[in-house]
Amino acid sequence: GAVVSQHPSWVICKSGTSVKIECRSLDFQATTMFWYRQFPKQSLMLMATSNEGSKATYEQGVEKDKFLINHASLTLSTLTVTSAHPEDSSFYICSASRIRGLSNGYTFGSGTRLTVV
Amino acid sequence: QKEVEQDPGPLSVPEGAIVSLNCTYSNSAFQYFMWYRQYSRKGPELLMYTYSSGNKEDGRFTAQVDKSSKYISLFIRDSQPSDSATYLCAMSAGGETSGSRLTFGEGTQLTVNP
Repeated sequence: GAVVSQHPSWVICKSGTSVKIECRSLDFQATTMFWYRQFPKQSLMLMATSNEGSKATYEQGVEKDKFLINHASLTLSTLTVTSAHPEDSSFYICSASRIRGLSNGYTFGSGTRLTVV
Repeated sequence: QKEVEQDPGPLSVPEGAIVSLNCTYSNSAFQYFMWYRQYSRKGPELLMYTYSSGNKEDGRFTAQVDKSSKYISLFIRDSQPSDSATYLCAMSAGGETSGSRLTFGEGTQLTVNP
């Protein structure tokens, strides 16, 4: 089956530093990757959608300059949280789709718990 | 108003019970309906997928969609302690033009007690 690997699974960083999270599709080529944010006991909130080779589409209210997304290849997307602050502490999850437009074709990564101190 | 409403629970049931989880939605464009299971500190995994109205059964799980009422359900028969997790409903209008963005419910936290 489709596998999405997300690293790191958890990270603690100091306020003001940047953190990079990787999302890799291991056995398929992902035409589209999504990045979500999830606060404790809350649902997944879509942050941005990225298609390989093009700029990411950010959801309203998500700062493009703070959450940098790169989808340079069909198997790798990265989310960089720049100048992280304690309020950025959250659970970040990526998902990848093999076929654009196929609603049931998403595979989720295992998530990254970011703690900014 | 949220596009998708889901009772967050928590819901606690004895082992073997039938569990009913529900979501309502307001966007009539939604055509694809999914249920995901999420264990603590893990990514969601797809449990059930349904297109348009109707029922779908897979083992102990049954998904129902009533588009006329904008209401979807997930039933778990003979619930097991291993079913303890957060269950998220998700919906999409589908189609390449919309990008198939998934809109999630808040999730219902379920505990099945042995």
